[in-house]
Amino acid sequence: DTGVSQDPRHKITKRGQNVTFRCDPISEHNRLYWYRQTLGQGPEFLTYFQNEAQLEKSRLLSDRFSAERPKGSFSTLEIQRTEQGDSAMYLCASSVSDSGVWGETQYFGPGTRLLVL
Amino acid sequence: DQQVKQNSPSLSVQEGRISILNCDYTNSMFDYFLWYKKYPAEGPTFLISISSIKDKNEDGRFTVFLNKSAKHLSLHIVPSQPGDSAVYFCAASADSGNTPLVFGKGTRLSVIA
Repeated sequence: DTGVSQDPRHKITKRGQNVTFRCDPISEHNRLYWYRQTLGQGPEFLTYFQNEAQLEKSRLLSDRFSAERPKGSFSTLEIQRTEQGDSAMYLCASSVSDSGVWGETQYFGPGTRLLVL
Repeated sequence: DQQVKQNSPSLSVQEGRISILNCDYTNSMFDYFLWYKKYPAEGPTFLISISSIKDKNEDGRFTVFLNKSAKHLSLHIVPSQPGDSAVYFCAASADSGNTPLVFGKGTRLSVIA
């Protein structure tokens, strides 16, 4: 299977704990995006990478959140001192940049559902 | 401020009939639009896209129409099948898709056998 994979699929943690999620993009996709989805909403952009460079961060990404893509392949998203409001589905997507006039299509992984108690 | 709006939270259609899902946007910089389908507890699955240089794109049972002057797009599914029952998200980006996607809140489609 050459799709986007995410690990873990589910995570339950207590408030104040740190959690880390991993995303493996489609091979040869140089862009990797993180989104968050809460109930009744569409996915909301958090941050993205082109290769190992983090190009943009949303204002949703407080200083408790950090993301890395050290070798331009997989990425990790860490949330420190989790709060109940962090409970959401965290989605990763990958794409190939500079797809020309036809546009860049992002392909999503299955997501990591986080529940903070 | 919602830049991408899907004003119908839900839609019910009989099997075999046409499903029409609508999406409006406010940002005139958007030039690439996508539709995703999502089942519960799964990530969004890409369905179809359209660039602003076109007004229609077709892929099998799915057709997307873009009306740039009205800042409106729609997804047509013909014929609708029970397996199409899911939440459909409209998404938009600027710079030929080289910016993060902005999503609507989704429309839940139920196809009744």
